Amino acid sequence: QVELQESGPGLVKPSETLSLTCTVSGYSISDDRYWGWVRLPPGKGLEWIGNIYHSGSTYYNTSLKSRVSISVDTSKNQFSLKLKSVTAADTAVYYCATPLYCSPTSCSGFWGQGILVTVSS
Amino acid sequence: DIVMAQSPDSLAVSLGERATINCKSSQSILYNSNNKNYLAWYQQKPGQPPKLLIYWASTRESGVPDRFSGSGSGTDFTLTISSLQAEDVAVYYCQQYYTTPFLTFGGGTKLEI
Repeated sequence: QVELQESGPGLVKPSETLSLTCTVSGYSISDDRYWGWVRLPPGKGLEWIGNIYHSGSTYYNTSLKSRVSISVDTSKNQFSLKLKSVTAADTAVYYCATPLYCSPTSCSGFWGQGILVTVSS
Repeated sequence: DIVMAQSPDSLAVSLGERATINCKSSQSILYNSNNKNYLAWYQQKPGQPPKLLIYWASTRESGVPDRFSGSGSGTDFTLTISSLQAEDVAVYYCQQYYTTPFLTFGGGTKLEI
């Protein structure tokens, strides 16, 4: 069974860098799948942040591109998110998640349970 | 970037009645080589991650009740709940994965009784 688990500080000060890690179990992060992050700000909708491939190739939401960085550590079966210069608008539940991966007959994707990160002094 | 526009923002439906949610993409998400629309629907309840309901616009995920159905092609899509149950109260999102690894969600529809 594939599990994704987010970890990191639940409180970050304005102007600092938000850092989260996703630990994957039950699946090799080196297999043919993208890994990424989605967030849900309070009272708003889901926002895709970005994805990474195990090779290290990254793909970011254009609205966040200047502040976001996603990296992968295949030896630990983990990937990480860094979002710099945060403001209150970055307060959200952050999910690690995989985009849908489709075979000819079906599609599948995985989500972590989410971690609330609050930006406040 | 493909923009996904969902409507309505919120919807109140009586138990046992039909609920319909619409999603429109700013460009076609029909992949001509396999004739599949790269459109998914998710259900999200408070405190839970999104749950995949439908992919390829109309294929139900395993275990999803058959009262949930998806339709549409090209740029216009619909999620229908044929007979609303109390446990269906949630926020519903469409998502295009035509441009994977770049993804886009619709703004969400809050479904209430």
